[in-house]
Amino acid sequence: DAGITQSPRYKITETGRQVTLMCHQTWSHSYMFWYRQDLGHGLRLIYYSAAADITDKGEVPDGYVVSRSKTENFPLTLESATRSQTSVYFCASSEGLVNEQFFGPGTRLTVL
Amino acid sequence: GENVEQHPSTLSVQEGDSAVIKCTYSDSASNYFPWYKQELGKRPQLIIDIRSNVGEKKDQRIAVTLNKTAKHFSLHITETQPEDSAVYFCAASMGGGADGLTFGKGTHLIIQP
Repeated sequence: DAGITQSPRYKITETGRQVTLMCHQTWSHSYMFWYRQDLGHGLRLIYYSAAADITDKGEVPDGYVVSRSKTENFPLTLESATRSQTSVYFCASSEGLVNEQFFGPGTRLTVL
Repeated sequence: GENVEQHPSTLSVQEGDSAVIKCTYSDSASNYFPWYKQELGKRPQLIIDIRSNVGEKKDQRIAVTLNKTAKHFSLHITETQPEDSAVYFCAASMGGGADGLTFGKGTHLIIQP
């Protein structure tokens, strides 16, 4: 599991600020994903990427931006944070869409 | 898109008894059904998965069954142990460029000593 890391692990920010969550994997997996986890909602897909420079929206993409210039990195940016974006964010990677997804340790984000 | 319903939301069983968690999915095109275990404060980890061309799969005390006609799949844990206490998530995926994994809302499994 040390092959996928997230930073920061904890972040407190204020409404309206821009925040970037980082995700890095060392397995050269093609696919990378961002999920948010909220009590009562389970894990919801925000964005995913099939390869460098290829990204697609998931279930809850509004308010988020992603990029993937290198295979190993998949940053998630909240352009103008809102309180409703307070959540735990998990990054994951896999060899394919129907292969095991390996999750990072998560980032707990609080928006005041 | 895909919709996955998971029941129950909380399940309490005596140590040594069996536990069953059930999920239904909406899109008949889904072909991959993993189960993830998440301990408190930790990341989700895959415990078992099944593909649509298989009806049942076992791995020691854990088994998953799939009924494609009824569009439901279940996780069975036998001889439960304290370390089985966690939140379990089912998921479904259509693959092939669709929206990745769609997760159920989770089941909090409590093993009573």
